[in-house]
Amino acid sequence: KAGVTQTPRYLIKTRGQQVTLSCSPISGHRSVSWYQQTPGQGLQFLFEYFSETQRNKGNFPGRFSGRQFSNSRSEMNVSTLELGDSALYLCASSTRRGNEQFFGPGTRLTVL
Amino acid sequence: DQQVKQNSPSLSVQEGRISILNCDYTNSMFDYFLWYKKYPAEGPTFLISISSIKDKNEDGRFTVFLNKSAKHLSLHIVPSQPGDSAVYFCAASDPNSGGSNYKLTFGKGTLLTVNP
Repeated sequence: KAGVTQTPRYLIKTRGQQVTLSCSPISGHRSVSWYQQTPGQGLQFLFEYFSETQRNKGNFPGRFSGRQFSNSRSEMNVSTLELGDSALYLCASSTRRGNEQFFGPGTRLTVL
Repeated sequence: DQQVKQNSPSLSVQEGRISILNCDYTNSMFDYFLWYKKYPAEGPTFLISISSIKDKNEDGRFTVFLNKSAKHLSLHIVPSQPGDSAVYFCAASDPNSGGSNYKLTFGKGTLLTVNP
């Protein structure tokens, strides 16, 4: 069974731009969660989607948004990028109410 | 407010010896705990988990111990191997966090180095 895939793997943007990251979950997994990993803060929860609806949200500003499609694929968008948004963005999928989340390789975003 | 803490940023052990990674938490509502391993340029990989109704779970060389009264858990790796060198994250799940899949709260990780 194929794992969680994320595209692109690397991205360089400048301040003020916006970015869209994509995540394809493991086949059959309907829950997708997004995390931000930075050296100082570790992994921080962004949001979770299930059946195209956001079910849970972390403490991030409204510049961070996401959506999920009917095939469970998910995208997250960051608008008006700031230098502090440079991080590894990880997507994880799981079956409903499963506690084991399976992570993708992440997208490394660099904001210049 | 960091609800899951891994107070040791790094740990170095000799091959064949025991590695003990520690994790403390503050939220008494956490009822499920997980350990993930992460290599550079890869996403975290699930390693082992434990429910709050247990105090020990074992899987091969990996054992997780949970002390609910102390709000402390630890991961033991015996014997340690050079391939175990990675960052280890402790995570906790709160069933009251809402959502369809309980939100995971992670510690900041411990870099384990196993020397040959």
